[in-house]
Amino acid sequence: DGGITQSPKYLFRKEGQNVTLSCEQNLNHDAMYWYRQDPGQGLRLIYYSQIVNDFQKGDIAEGYSVSREKKESFPLTVTSAQKNPTAFYLCASSARDGSYEQYFGPGTRLTVT
Amino acid sequence: AQKVTQAQTEISVVEKEDVTLDCVYETRDTTYYLFWYKQPPSGELVFLIRRNSFDEQNEISGRYSWNFQKSTSSFNFTITASQVVDSAVYFCALSARDSTLTFGKGTMLLVSP
Repeated sequence: DGGITQSPKYLFRKEGQNVTLSCEQNLNHDAMYWYRQDPGQGLRLIYYSQIVNDFQKGDIAEGYSVSREKKESFPLTVTSAQKNPTAFYLCASSARDGSYEQYFGPGTRLTVT
Repeated sequence: AQKVTQAQTEISVVEKEDVTLDCVYETRDTTYYLFWYKQPPSGELVFLIRRNSFDEQNEISGRYSWNFQKSTSSFNFTITASQVVDSAVYFCALSARDSTLTFGKGTMLLVSP
């Protein structure tokens, strides 16, 4: 079955540690996205990549970093510079066919204490 | 700048009632797409519909219907004869030229038996 996988579903870290969230897709999509969701805030775009080895900052990129070395993978690193890292993180992908429809993974809930 | 407003933070209805979720958007683009996504308690966003800016026909899919009015920049979503399984957070989203989506803050729908 084609889809997007994010692992793990729940992640706990101590303050001051970097943590990397995984996102893999087998939909053969060129574009991938990372969103952060906080209660009552909707989804906010962190980073996106429209092609391998290229990515752009979204609305709230500070304290985050990404890489896109393979078409299937778009890992997100939450660095210690992110002031409020506890949130629900969603990864998405889309085809570059003009449809703009994004397919979402199940999300990772990160808790930093 | 693009903006999506979902003024209803939370709606509670009793099963079998009809309910309408409002969505108002702002964009300077003449070509764009509008979306509705459903987020059940599991967290994964589920695509419901995409509508392009040139197609103002209303759409019906089972108990779901959508009313797109370009004149008022609105794209409202109606659930007829609501069911408990409809309980979720619903997001309206607007496409940008760079393929990213701008999401509203979501409307939480609670359908009680």
